[in-house]
Amino acid sequence: AQKVTQAQTEISVVEKEDVTLDCVYETRDTTYYLFWYKQPPSGELVFLIRRNSFDEQNEISGRYSWNFQKSTSSFNFTITASQVVDSAVYFCALKGGYSTLTFGKGTMLLVSP
Amino acid sequence: NAGVTQTPKFRILKIGQSMTLQCTQDMNHNYMYWYRQDPGMGLKLIYYSVGAGITDKGEVPNGYNVSRSTTEDFPLRLELAAPSQTSVYFCASSPGTGFNQPQHFGDGTRLSIL
Repeated sequence: AQKVTQAQTEISVVEKEDVTLDCVYETRDTTYYLFWYKQPPSGELVFLIRRNSFDEQNEISGRYSWNFQKSTSSFNFTITASQVVDSAVYFCALKGGYSTLTFGKGTMLLVSP
Repeated sequence: NAGVTQTPKFRILKIGQSMTLQCTQDMNHNYMYWYRQDPGMGLKLIYYSVGAGITDKGEVPNGYNVSRSTTEDFPLRLELAAPSQTSVYFCASSPGTGFNQPQHFGDGTRLSIL
């Protein structure tokens, strides 16, 4: 069975602070995919990034960056210089082998002005 | 730019009533999915489909049924609504090889069973 743990239920920061959202996963598969999705207060889910298990390069997209470390089974997400518009629930998800997609419980990020 | 469209957006049902949540996508995606999201929880997969005429159970299928007669449409049916089915329901689709592809989500249907 595969599992995704997002230990941080809620994080509150002040605008312009950097914040890291943690994601730890469990899978027995050697080939797997990791995802991050954003759910803003309006409710829809928005895809942010996909990473496969063979690509451990970190990725940066504007203020967003992702740190994938197989050694610690983690796929953490950092927002640099957070903004109020970053306030949302962020979900990490895992797809391994022939399994379906497993979501973590999400981390609610509140960015105050 | 419709993407994945869900109707209705909100609905209140009485216990024992039935209803169908509609989902349609215009991206010609083979894979479609239904999830439910309960407060403080991630999304749980109810059913999915790999193409017209093919459906399969997800993690929490009890109390639901689906059909996939066309590539575009994937309705979810609740036959005997129960309070435990109060949730937000999301339909999604993805191209090609399915679960390893990013999923495109609808805006959700908020369903309350009273």
